[in-house]
Formats: sequence, C-alpha cells, structure tokens
Amino acid sequence: DVKVTQSSRYLVKRTGEKVFLECVQDMDHENMFWYRQDPGLGLRLIYFSYDVKMKEKGDIPEGYSVSREKKERFSLILESASTNQTSMYLCASSLKQGINEQYFGPGTRLTVT
Amino acid sequence: GENVEQHPSTLSVQEGDSAVIKCTYSDSASNYFPWYKQELGKRPQLIIDIRSNVGEKKDQRIAVTLNKTAKHFSLHITETQPEDSAVYFCAASIPGYALNFGKGTSLLVTP
Repeated sequence: DVKVTQSSRYLVKRTGEKVFLECVQDMDHENMFWYRQDPGLGLRLIYFSYDVKMKEKGDIPEGYSVSREKKERFSLILESASTNQTSMYLCASSLKQGINEQYFGPGTRLTVT
Repeated sequence: GENVEQHPSTLSVQEGDSAVIKCTYSDSASNYFPWYKQELGKRPQLIIDIRSNVGEKKDQRIAVTLNKTAKHFSLHITETQPEDSAVYFCAASIPGYALNFGKGTSLLVTP
C-alpha cells in the first residue's frame, strides 16, 4: 500500500525558532513536493524535488528551504519561524514518468506563536 | 507559470442532485488534469484524472470533461450523497511536473 508519512501531525513553535518538517515515502518515487494549505487559498507549492540533492522553488519559497539527501526523504526547513507561517503543511510524492498521481501525506498543522 | 481558476468556491446541493465544478487553466502546454477530494481532517486523494488526448472520462457517479480549445475542464458528480461532502481541488500540469492547484470548492450535500 502506498504510504507517505510526515513526522508530526501537530507542532507548536515559537517565533524565531528553526523548524524541521520531515516527509518519508516508501514508493520509490522520484518526485517529492511540499505544499502549504490555507483556507481560501488552496494548495500552494513551496518547493519540489525531482531527484536526490535536487530542488526547485515553487510559488511561495520565501522563508523556507528544503533538503533531499535520500530518495525517500524530503525535509522542509523554516530557518526562523514567523507567525505568518502558521499553516497546514502537506508533503506529496509522485513518479517522474508515466502516471503521475500525487500521493499526499497526512499533513502537519504548524502553529507559530 | 500556470494559473488555475476554480469555481464556485462553495456549492450546496440536495442529496440526489448533480454537482458541477469548473476550472480554467492558462498554459496551453498543460496536458494532465486531476481532481482531488479532501474530506475534513484528511489528506487530499485523487478521485479522477484526464489527459489531453481524451475529452471525457467517467467513473461511476463522477465524470470529468475537458475542452482544450477553451482551456477549461469540469467535474460532474451525479446522484450526490452526503459522503460526497468535501473540498474538491482541480489541478493542471505537464506530466511528471508539479501540479498547479485551484483554490478548491467546498461541496455540501444536504439530506
């Protein structure tokens, strides 16, 4: 069964803290994505990666960075968390070729106080 | 880049009625159009998708139509049931690349 997991379902951090959100997939997918979901704004792409050590900026990369050292793991990093980064963060993965259904993780609800 | 617009943002129908959600896209190179359903508190899941070489696709009570000339595609749900209540997202992309999502439609099916 397809599985994408995220390290935390809920996370509370203070302004200025460094935050790591981890995503792991067990499907040998080449592509991995980080989105944030806010009411009325849909799913907005932060960063994506087509391969190990490769990354591409999405629509809203400011304030975020990513790391992909292994094929199965894609990390989202908030270098200095701010209150406007309070959101639901969703990770997804897909194959590079052929059917490219994106499989989503359960999400991490991050609150920055 | 690709811009996907989705309408309406909210939709309320009576059980048994049909529901239609419409999306438009801007990049004529897009050729993959999936629809995702997100129930409250759950992750988005693919319910149906269509590629540009097909004009319509059906799967039981749901269908998607695509008009490449006009750059719009629609989701049709017939005989709606309360369990169809969810947020629906359309998206467009070139296969293998990042999806560009619409802002979502919150569908409520009332008994």
